[in-house]
Amino acid sequence: KQEVTQIPAALSVPEGENLVLNCSFTDSAIYNLQWFRQDPGKGLTSLLLIQSSQREQTSGRLNASLDKSSGRSTLYIAASQPGDSATYLCAVHTGANSKLTFGKGITLSVRP
Amino acid sequence: DVKVTQSSRYLVKRTGEKVFLECVQDMDHENMFWYRQDPGLGLRLIYFSYDVKMKEKGDIPEGYSVSREKKERFSLILESASTNQTSMYLCASSWAVGGALHFGNGTRLTVT
Repeated sequence: KQEVTQIPAALSVPEGENLVLNCSFTDSAIYNLQWFRQDPGKGLTSLLLIQSSQREQTSGRLNASLDKSSGRSTLYIAASQPGDSATYLCAVHTGANSKLTFGKGITLSVRP
Repeated sequence: DVKVTQSSRYLVKRTGEKVFLECVQDMDHENMFWYRQDPGLGLRLIYFSYDVKMKEKGDIPEGYSVSREKKERFSLILESASTNQTSMYLCASSWAVGGALHFGNGTRLTVT
């Protein structure tokens, strides 16, 4: 059974820092991995999706990498801003017909 | 942009009531999902549907049912609401099985 872990559960950084959010998964035979952002009391916004054949995806200041062999993905946020404060979740598809397995998220606070 | 709309942001119901949560997507997606999100437990899949009139149980279907009469609309039904169904309910859709998930803004349901 796939398990997805995100550690730490919370992170506080000063504005301007480059930061890395980690996601690990137990079954490396994944189909794809998706990163989401969730603001308090809101739904999830899709940030990036990486297929199993890809090593990374980029969108603006965000870069997500995937290392299937080690069961890890990282979300890199460049030059963090207070507006980046949110909870970031990763989720894994372990097969084309499978459901998503979610991590519990990392709550990021960027201090002005 | 994909738009997934949940009809209510906040809902307060009494124990024993029958509750309907409505979700509509505007991108002709085949697949639709209902999750609930609780602190410490993360997102858990209740039901999903790969096509009109089709439904599949997720990880926690007990106490819930669903209806998908039209492709764009997926309804979650709480047959007899109980206090342990107080939660944030999130609807999502995707173009393909294993594809990127797009979420609505959620419905915060309180059962008293």
